[in-house]
Amino acid sequence: QVQLQESGPGLVKPSQTLSLTCTVSGGSISSGGYYWSWIRQHPGKGLEWIGYIYYSGSTYYNPSLKSRVTISVDTSKNQFSLKLSSVTAADTAVYYCARDRGPRGANDYWGQGTLVTVSS
Amino acid sequence: EIVLTQSPATLSLSPGERATLSCRASQSVSSYLAWYQQKPGQAPRLLIYDASNRATGIPARFSGSGSGTDFTLTISSLEPEDFAVYYCQQRSNWPGTFGPGTKVDIK
Repeated sequence: QVQLQESGPGLVKPSQTLSLTCTVSGGSISSGGYYWSWIRQHPGKGLEWIGYIYYSGSTYYNPSLKSRVTISVDTSKNQFSLKLSSVTAADTAVYYCARDRGPRGANDYWGQGTLVTVSS
Repeated sequence: EIVLTQSPATLSLSPGERATLSCRASQSVSSYLAWYQQKPGQAPRLLIYDASNRATGIPARFSGSGSGTDFTLTISSLEPEDFAVYYCQQRSNWPGTFGPGTKVDIK
């Protein structure tokens, strides 16, 4: 059973960089065939896909966030990470990591989510 | 970016009743359409992928249909644990997008 767990600060100051890590267990990121996504949900709102990464390091980012987003992978630790720069209060959200069933696949495993609040 | 529209916004039903949820895409997404269930404080749970395939462990009362721009999620007989918010998601075009959700609540 694949499990994902997000970790990182729950509070980030405006203009700083939000950094989160997703640790995958029960399966290897390097096994291929799957992509690894970050998705966020603003409080009481719908879902927004941030971007994904393949174990090789190739990425795709949502154009609406592309200038501020970096997703990276560390296969030795079976982790992938999100960095979102120049955050504002509008970036306050629950951030989820998830596994994609391929480049056009659905997200079949999700982390529990972590709330990140942007506030001074 | 493909826009997904879900209807109705809220569906008020009783346990045992049939629920029919709709998702419409602004352009064809072929069959790259998924459905998720989300309960308060929980992550979304994949129900249906590729428009009509049930994910692992999903009960048979959940079924998906459609292709192109019009899709339906049907819950044949609502169980108490099915009252939740349901989202559709397209992965045909990048970026993948989600619909605004349909809340199924108890009548």
